[in-house]
Amino acid sequence: GAGVSQSPRYKVAKRGQDVALRCDPISGHVSLFWYQQALGQGPEFLTYFQNEAQLDKSGLPSDRFFAERPEGSVSTLKIQRTQKEDSAVYLCASSQDRGPSRVQFFGPGTRLTVL
Amino acid sequence: AQKVTQAQTEISVVEKEDVTLDCVYETRDTTYYLFWYKQPPSGELVFLIRRNSFDEQNEISGRYSWNFQKSTSSFNFTITASQVVDSAVYFCALSEAEGGGNKLTFGTGTQLKVEL
Repeated sequence: GAGVSQSPRYKVAKRGQDVALRCDPISGHVSLFWYQQALGQGPEFLTYFQNEAQLDKSGLPSDRFFAERPEGSVSTLKIQRTQKEDSAVYLCASSQDRGPSRVQFFGPGTRLTVL
Repeated sequence: AQKVTQAQTEISVVEKEDVTLDCVYETRDTTYYLFWYKQPPSGELVFLIRRNSFDEQNEISGRYSWNFQKSTSSFNFTITASQVVDSAVYFCALSEAEGGGNKLTFGTGTQLKVEL
């Protein structure tokens, strides 16, 4: 079975540009997460969806970051007016469960470089 | 607030040596879950193990073993007879049942290099 896929794998943006990062979760997984991983650091939580509902966006660093999952499957993370500090790997994860014990399965990430 | 500390930034060993990766966590919850993930150079985090706070029994899976001690808030990971393919960054993570159940809180990772 297919795992979590993300596209593009690499994205270079000029400062001020808008970017959109896509995540295809494992089929049937109700929970979807976005994390940001800076170089040499662990992933940090950005936002969480249960089906199409965004239940937690406490980790989004600013109002330039926006995520959606309109049909409860594919999700898009959008960053407006990118800044250099947005450079990081953006990881998507999905889980078939809903509680805190759930195992999250991660995609390969999108490496964003803002020049 | 939940926190995970992996004090070892980088460890280098020679193949066939045993190696232990340390993980210390902080939480106010009585119910929580601990995880280990492996991140090879390809970048994808690979799930290794999950333990809940009520199960302190150590676990062994092949060359991997985990030692969970609530008294010291530690969840250490040992690789026996390490191999070059074990080279990766290893992350310990925590999920709280009450305080932060929507997310995993990760440590900063330990880079393991296994050389011939």
